[in-house]
Amino acid sequence: EVQLVESGGGLVQPGGSLRLSCAASGFTFSIYWMSWVRQAPGKGLEWVANIKQDGSEQYYVDSVKGRFTFSRDNAKNSVYLQMNSLRADDTAVYYCVRALGGNETWGQGTLVTVSS
Amino acid sequence: SYELTQPPSVSVSPGQTARITCSGDLLPKNYAYWYQQKSGQAPVLVIYEDTKRPSGIPERFSGSSSGTMAALSISGAQVEDEADYYCYSIYNSGHHGVFGGGTKLTVL
Repeated sequence: EVQLVESGGGLVQPGGSLRLSCAASGFTFSIYWMSWVRQAPGKGLEWVANIKQDGSEQYYVDSVKGRFTFSRDNAKNSVYLQMNSLRADDTAVYYCVRALGGNETWGQGTLVTVSS
Repeated sequence: SYELTQPPSVSVSPGQTARITCSGDLLPKNYAYWYQQKSGQAPVLVIYEDTKRPSGIPERFSGSSSGTMAALSISGAQVEDEADYYCYSIYNSGHHGVFGGGTKLTVL
């Protein structure tokens, strides 16, 4: 069964850091672009970042550029989102997505809350 | 940055055709994708590459695109189709993505 399982969400203070993980199973992980998409409470979907199959290229929405880092470990079938300098408007459910717009699969999401 | 524009809401009676539009300057060059999201659930892709329907998606869902506008149509809409619908496309040589603001479909 194709599956993506996110973890690492939680409550963090403004200015703090958090690292999200997404573990993949049931498919050949290394051949797919991966993405993060987030959704603030009661709001719409927002594309956050993409990473190439070998991790050599990453692309970010302007609002997280310089604060978030998207990485992957193909040996562990996992991707990671390191989030620094977190702000209240980063509060959202973060979804890990395989091949967004293609042969895609979504995780169930992990909630990140930035609040003092 | 690039934006996709959707109407905030669309309302139809059961059995009617619902049409949700998505406008964006780069849609003539890049495909549109459509997602259905029900409350508390992850989004589900219902249309990809403007007009294609993934396996398992009912035939009443169809997509079209002309110029700077893409559209999702649901013919014979059912109460179970009530959901938020989002269009999605790419830009910057396909390296960046963008979602529309979402459209709440009411079937009653």
